[in-house]
Amino acid sequence: AQKVTQAQTEISVVEKEDVTLDCVYETRDTTYYLFWYKQPPSGELVFLIRRNSFDEQNEISGRYSWNFQKSTSSFNFTITASQVVDSAVYFCALSEAKTGNQFYFGTGTSLTVIP
Amino acid sequence: EADIYQTPRYLVIGTGKKITLECSQTMGHDKMYWYQQDPGMELHLIHYSYGVNSTEKGDLSSESTVSRIRTEHFPLTLESARPSHTSQYLCASSEYRSVNTEAFFGQGTRLTVV
Repeated sequence: AQKVTQAQTEISVVEKEDVTLDCVYETRDTTYYLFWYKQPPSGELVFLIRRNSFDEQNEISGRYSWNFQKSTSSFNFTITASQVVDSAVYFCALSEAKTGNQFYFGTGTSLTVIP
Repeated sequence: EADIYQTPRYLVIGTGKKITLECSQTMGHDKMYWYQQDPGMELHLIHYSYGVNSTEKGDLSSESTVSRIRTEHFPLTLESARPSHTSQYLCASSEYRSVNTEAFFGQGTRLTVV
């Protein structure tokens, strides 16, 4: 079974629009960690944020914000006032304490910001 | 900035050739990974290592092999390349003793087998 689901395969928005990328995860572990990565066209995965299962506080970093809700097993990522440089593939990932820090990645969401 | 390096960045090679993709990290991380990324974006774990002399196969079956003789080095080898091996290969590392840590990725190797 897929542990991390990113239902949105591709999203296109016009520059300056807000966009939310969805991530739903599945785990039976009580201690786990969630991550978001950005993969620009150059190919490398760039770490954006880490959140542990005991910390449900939402986080804002500049134009980025993350909404972690254990009740719905979701860890959504919002980009406010999108820019062309935000165009990339975004991956959500899960790591469970009991499996020794094995990373499970979603299938990614390709975001295109149109100027 | 992550200190993990992959070489080569791009490789075009003929069928049947033996190739080794290099991955090195300078962060002293115990755990290292190899992912294969399809053109449709999904990452598949093909190998990982907990430390020196430790290697494990990942979720996706792969004809490649890996070795971990030094902490910083985790090369991936294909004994006989085939067109089906055409893909992007991403190497990553993370701390093993702490689970509250992200993985750091290299820039990837885009392999094309003709």
